Amino acid sequence: GQQLNQSPQSMFIQEGEDVSMNCTSSSIFNTWLWYKQEPGEGPVLLIALYKAGELTSNGRLTAQFGITRKDSFLNISASIPSDVGIYFCAGQPILAFQGAQKLVFGQGTRLTINP
Amino acid sequence: DSGVTQTPKHLITATGQRVTLRCSPRSGDLSVYWYQQSLDQGLQFLIQYYNGEERAKGNILERFSAQQFPDLHSELNLSSLELGDSALYFCASSVGQGVSYEQYFGPGTRLTVT
Repeated sequence: GQQLNQSPQSMFIQEGEDVSMNCTSSSIFNTWLWYKQEPGEGPVLLIALYKAGELTSNGRLTAQFGITRKDSFLNISASIPSDVGIYFCAGQPILAFQGAQKLVFGQGTRLTINP
Repeated sequence: DSGVTQTPKHLITATGQRVTLRCSPRSGDLSVYWYQQSLDQGLQFLIQYYNGEERAKGNILERFSAQQFPDLHSELNLSSLELGDSALYFCASSVGQGVSYEQYFGPGTRLTVT
């Protein structure tokens, strides 16, 4: 089945630093989504991307839909303690049949921030 | 708050038992999805329902089944439970048609099988 390779698996940074993470796939996706999950909670949607090349921001978060449609990037600028959590990318395969929406999730990037 | 509700929050049961997890989607959403997340693992898609009908299936075990009712709430039934079924189970919902694939997740049900 389709898989997403998300990297890095974990990051340990200082407060105030910028963060970059990415997801790649061997298949083409027509949608990329980025979620954040905190311990014991459900994933929260951060950004949705629908067009190749699209660059979208949500506060200090910026995500891009890769031109090849096989990758996506998430950047967090000037990290703060509440950014701690696990960030997941998710993609909607382009060949999903009508009505079927079957997101494929990356394995997550665990972000730890030292104050 | 995503608007998706799940009950119960926690569930502890013994091997061999059967449990039912319940999910109510966001108002207006027609699609419901179920995911399993084991310890320190990613989210594994189990099944999707759209307006009462099954639309997509992932790696869902035969011991597991789901349904979506006319009021659009959904239930995930897990039977003959094994220790390895211990996990977080999430429900998500979306509008379910058109070009929006944004899924909104509930708070999850933590299942512990002893």
